Amino acid sequence: QQQVKQSPQSLIVQKGGISIINCAYENTAFDYFPWYQQFPGKGPALLIAIRPDVSEKKEGRFTISFNKSAKQFSLHIMDSQPGDSATYFCAATARGGNKLTFGTGTQLKVEL
Amino acid sequence: GAVVSQHPSWVICKSGTSVKIECRSLDFQATTMFWYRQFPKQSLMLMATSNEGSKATYEQGVEKDKFLINHASLTLSTLTVTSAHPEDSSFYICSASGRTSNYGYTFGSGTRLTVV
Repeated sequence: QQQVKQSPQSLIVQKGGISIINCAYENTAFDYFPWYQQFPGKGPALLIAIRPDVSEKKEGRFTISFNKSAKQFSLHIMDSQPGDSATYFCAATARGGNKLTFGTGTQLKVEL
Repeated sequence: GAVVSQHPSWVICKSGTSVKIECRSLDFQATTMFWYRQFPKQSLMLMATSNEGSKATYEQGVEKDKFLINHASLTLSTLTVTSAHPEDSSFYICSASGRTSNYGYTFGSGTRLTVV
């Protein structure tokens, strides 16, 4: 019940295309869903996060879509750029500073 | 924004020695610190959670006597890998959560430990 399933494991997108990464969870107590971007040899950096009271959140080229009934959420990267090539992790947690449960990660490569 | 500083960024040590990794929250009070271990091309694996002034809570399978965690102040937590062996070689990452309305989690830049 604590798992967060993430797909795909890897993704290759052409420059200017849309990258889509999906996650699904089981624990209905989760109420905070962040996405992290990690470059090789670096710690994860928060990209964007959403709470279950909204169905979509957009920040620049990054959008989270959230489906509470299906217990799924996804990250869309519009106009993907080579600089977006990194590993992306979805995560989830319940309110109160509890530990994050991470997805397995998606290695994104944006080709010219 | 919230900043977490982690040092060292990389360390090489001899088998049998101990290594200390520091994690500092620079501009906020970290009431909770998390320590992760990450193997190549894998997700972050939570090792332990520590609250300021309390003993750390270790995840199942993590040896508390081998991975000593101290969280003595609201801005500093340390992870000491005792009697390190080559199988302890990994990427260690800390994360801090503070008393903010957003209860966000800020990650350090990670420490690459190589035990030879």
